[in-house]
Amino acid sequence: DAKTTQPNSMESNEEEPVHLPCNHSTISGTDYIHWYRQLPSQGPEYVIHGLTSNVNNRMASLAIAEDRKSSTLILHRATLRDAAVYYCILRDNAGNMLTFGGGTRLMVKP
Amino acid sequence: NAGVMQNPRHLVRRRGQEARLRCSPMKGHSHVYWYRQLPEEGLKFMVYLQKENIIDESGMPKERFSAEFPKEGPSILRIQQVVRGDSAAYFCASSPRLGGTYEQYFGPGTRLTVT
Repeated sequence: DAKTTQPNSMESNEEEPVHLPCNHSTISGTDYIHWYRQLPSQGPEYVIHGLTSNVNNRMASLAIAEDRKSSTLILHRATLRDAAVYYCILRDNAGNMLTFGGGTRLMVKP
Repeated sequence: NAGVMQNPRHLVRRRGQEARLRCSPMKGHSHVYWYRQLPEEGLKFMVYLQKENIIDESGMPKERFSAEFPKEGPSILRIQQVVRGDSAAYFCASSPRLGGTYEQYFGPGTRLTVT
């Protein structure tokens, strides 16, 4: 799977939007962009994924650049419960395992 | 629909003992994955199984570790003759099908401590 680059950490204030960036300049045409998060002492949790178009679900939105070399996970109103490590992962259509990088540690201040 | 279940949640073993970790995938999911997270490190893939078959074990240590997913019952990750370096959180995930468009659902993990 192609590599992704994310900032090590970010801070946000509670109830404000959060934009978590991810660069994936070597993405191939069949790679899906997946986001997972891991809350402290818990297993990873699926957040959202997309291929080319922007995606929305109850947890977040995913904005994908037109050239697909970057994407942004958007939490519309951060809560304290959103404090976690967020992972951006590329998966091709034959992909089985998830390859986790370092992720972005999001801290939410009350 | 119950999520992915793992047991035990915590397991303490002395060096040299065996550890057996169990994973029941979500109902209807036939693809199971095991990951390990060493203290202060990231998650690493270990093995991918379908019912009765190991599909990809490229992340499994060559010795002492084995995995199975029998026709009936949970998937088992077995660690023989545990050493202190095996202390970690072991997560199981399942998905309904193979492919980049399918998400994986993770269990709460088993935290193994080797004393």
